Amino acid sequence: ETGVTQSPTHLIKTRGQQVTLRCSSQSGHNTVSWYQQALGQGPQFIFQYYREEENGRGNFPPRFSGLQFPNYSSELNVNALELDDSALYLCASSLRTAITLDTQYFGPGTRLTVL
Amino acid sequence: ILNVEQSPQSLHVQEGDSTNFTCSFPSSNFYALHWYRWETAKSPEALFVMTLNGDEKKKGRISATLNTKEGYSYLYIKGSQPEDSATYLCALLSSNTGKLIFGQGTTLQVKP
Repeated sequence: ETGVTQSPTHLIKTRGQQVTLRCSSQSGHNTVSWYQQALGQGPQFIFQYYREEENGRGNFPPRFSGLQFPNYSSELNVNALELDDSALYLCASSLRTAITLDTQYFGPGTRLTVL
Repeated sequence: ILNVEQSPQSLHVQEGDSTNFTCSFPSSNFYALHWYRWETAKSPEALFVMTLNGDEKKKGRISATLNTKEGYSYLYIKGSQPEDSATYLCALLSSNTGKLIFGQGTTLQVKP
């Protein structure tokens, strides 16, 4: 067990809707990263938050946004859902930032299906 | 665009066999390499973080080596057991982006 939880486990939405995915990090971990894993691919970096500020972003459009809260929880919001957004979404927490080589502890993921 | 490649994509071995797989990455801008094991319906679990050329790390029957000059890392499993069945992911931490770039994974199935 990594101590990182995500909710919900599964979610079905329709194209054009908005979705919020939630992550609860290990206590004391100041950094949370979000990844998208499409079928047959490795996880793709979406963005990272460090102490409630965005600290790096991958090649994802602005309709992917996030929040990090002081209680070590975070959210990934996706607006105007598209069919290609169907994927497993993973969050990972670490003590500081990835650049410091800290191990990232992953949650089990949320499976999003967009119809 | 940095690309991390893993091979083979999948592997089926018998219990007791030793096995290895490869992670290839561009050697420029290397900062660190992470290995993860991901069992079905569970969270990816960190195995190793490797930083130095020639690094060799070991955890039980699993070990990994790193060659940053030629841009590859090997993961070895000695005497595979059914509980080793999982997808093994490597991820490059690039010095100029600060983000993890994952390979597509190698899925290992160990038959009893």
